[in-house]
Amino acid sequence: EAGVAQSPRYKIIEKRQSVAFWCNPISGHATLYWYQQILGQGPKLLIQFQNNGVVDDSQLPKDRFSAERLKGVDSTLKIQPAKLEDSAVYLCASSSGLNHKETQYFGPGTRLLVL
Amino acid sequence: AQKITQTQPGMFVQEKEAVTLDCTYDTSDPSYGLFWYKQPSSGEMIFLIYQGSYDQQNATEGRYSLNFQKARKSANLVISASQLGDSAMYFCAMRTASKLTFGTGTRLQVTL
Repeated sequence: EAGVAQSPRYKIIEKRQSVAFWCNPISGHATLYWYQQILGQGPKLLIQFQNNGVVDDSQLPKDRFSAERLKGVDSTLKIQPAKLEDSAVYLCASSSGLNHKETQYFGPGTRLLVL
Repeated sequence: AQKITQTQPGMFVQEKEAVTLDCTYDTSDPSYGLFWYKQPSSGEMIFLIYQGSYDQQNATEGRYSLNFQKARKSANLVISASQLGDSAMYFCAMRTASKLTFGTGTRLQVTL
């Protein structure tokens, strides 16, 4: 069974530029998550989708970050305009559902460096 | 509010020895799940082991076991017979109905 796919793996941009990340979850997983992991810290949830609806985006900086999951499968996360403090690893994860027993499986992440 | 605490920023263990990574948690939800993930330098978060709040037995998965002490709100990870490939960051996480919350991680270094 294929795991969570993410692209690109690495991205370097200058501040004020825009960037987009793509995620394809495990087949059949209804729930998709985007996390931001700053160096030396644990991942922090940015947004959570159930099918194509947003469940939780309370920690998403909505003035510059946006995410969508139009057909309930793939998802894109966009930053526009980027700031220096956005330098981090962006992890996508998926799970079968929202239950507390459901394991989240993570993709390889996208390492973003903002100069 | 949910909180996960990992008090060991770094740990060293000799190859073939056992090591315990500490994790304490705090939640008011009666139903929750506890997870451990491994993150090698490549960056991917690898799921290791799960313990449910109502599970009576401690979870085990191969060389990994979870020492679950509900009254103390602790969920320590025990790795037996450490291998060089176990060198990585290890994150404890707790999931309630709302979300998955991670600790700050412990960096494990396995030495010869």
